[in-house]
Amino acid sequence: KAGVTQTPRYLIKTRGQQVTLSCSPISGHRSVSWYQQTPGQGLQFLFEYFSETQRNKGNFPGRFSGRQFSNSRSEMNVSTLELGDSALYLCASSLDVRTDNEQFFGPGTRLTVL
Amino acid sequence: SQQGEEDPQALSIQEGENATMNCSYKTSINNLQWYRQNSGRGLVHLILIRSNEREKHSGRLRVTLDTSKKSSSLLITASRAADTASYFCATPNSGGSNYKLTFGKGTLLTVNP
Repeated sequence: KAGVTQTPRYLIKTRGQQVTLSCSPISGHRSVSWYQQTPGQGLQFLFEYFSETQRNKGNFPGRFSGRQFSNSRSEMNVSTLELGDSALYLCASSLDVRTDNEQFFGPGTRLTVL
Repeated sequence: SQQGEEDPQALSIQEGENATMNCSYKTSINNLQWYRQNSGRGLVHLILIRSNEREKHSGRLRVTLDTSKKSSSLLITASRAADTASYFCATPNSGGSNYKLTFGKGTLLTVNP
């Protein structure tokens, strides 16, 4: 089985722009979660989707949004980019929402905001 | 706030030595998971230990869990240069059908050849 894929792998944007990141989960996985990783704040949960529904959301401003499609692929969008949004964005997929299901992470998208 | 806090923040050892990393958490948990991250890459799931388990082994990895102290440790035996990475503990916060992992800040392990 192919692993979790994220596109693009690297992205450079300027302040005020918006960006869309994509995540394709492992085939058959219906849960997709997004995390932001920065040196200062570490790994922080953004949101989780299951069957096209946002089931949980982290403590991020409304500029961060996401969605999930019927094929379980997910996108996250950040509008009005700020310098502090520079981070590694990771998505993870799992079979379902049971807490003992392993989360499989993608390689991440490195976003740099100038 | 961080659910899991790893200790130490950084650890440097020689190849062949054992490495021990500790994790403390705050609230009750169903399980605790350990992940590895090579420099700037995605996370790799290492091992999951359930709240009713005290110890678990996987190859050169040994994880212990003490729910009374709200702590866990990860032991890597006979370390190799390829074990150089950041290690994170994570706990799932769940409520009904919601699910998210809360990660600690990680331990940066450097194994010198």
